[in-house]
Amino acid sequence: DAGITQSPRHKVTETGTPVTLRCHQTENHRYMYWYRQDPGHGLRLIHYSYGVKDTDKGEVSDGYSVSRSKTEDFLLTLESATSSQTSVYFCAIRTSGSGHDTQYFGPGTRLTVL
Amino acid sequence: AQSVTQPDIHITVSEGASLELRCNYSYGATPYLFWYVQSPGQGLQLLLKYFSGDTLVQGIKGFEAEFKRSQSSFNLRKPSVHWSDAAEYFCAVGEPGRDDKIIFGKGTRLHILP
Repeated sequence: DAGITQSPRHKVTETGTPVTLRCHQTENHRYMYWYRQDPGHGLRLIHYSYGVKDTDKGEVSDGYSVSRSKTEDFLLTLESATSSQTSVYFCAIRTSGSGHDTQYFGPGTRLTVL
Repeated sequence: AQSVTQPDIHITVSEGASLELRCNYSYGATPYLFWYVQSPGQGLQLLLKYFSGDTLVQGIKGFEAEFKRSQSSFNLRKPSVHWSDAAEYFCAVGEPGRDDKIIFGKGTRLHILP
């Protein structure tokens, strides 16, 4: 357990509505990540952050934005949700030290877009 | 480009039998290598990781993995599986020095027969 929580854990919303998912960590890790998990695709990186206000795109960033105004919180926003964004979303942090970079994951948020 | 292949989508073994889950990667140099496990409805838990050194890596829950450079493989093994090992297993490859470059395989679902 790397002190990662995600909220909400489950959400059902309608197409076209904005949605924000929150990832919170308690251990001041610099790097944070958002992934989505879909059957047959494994985990795919959406966005990541390497510090407060420092973010970059991942493999599947279209339709998503992120913000990080505090070290402990990393927000993922779907500006206008679509059914293709129905997925399970995982936040991760990366520990580092002596070059041993390892990602640890939160419990996930199951999002359904109707 | 980096890639990870887990050739087996599903594997079924009897409780008490040995297990080997396959993982092959494509990367020009020695990558960071990881195995994660995901129980239904849960997040991903790190089983073990390889960065350098001894090519046989011990992890939690009695798992081990062996890095074979000549075969570009990092197969996961357990000598005797328990019913609680039923889960989905993900191999992942990281590129040293890259913030975003951890690529996940699509997973292998392990089923245990009583």
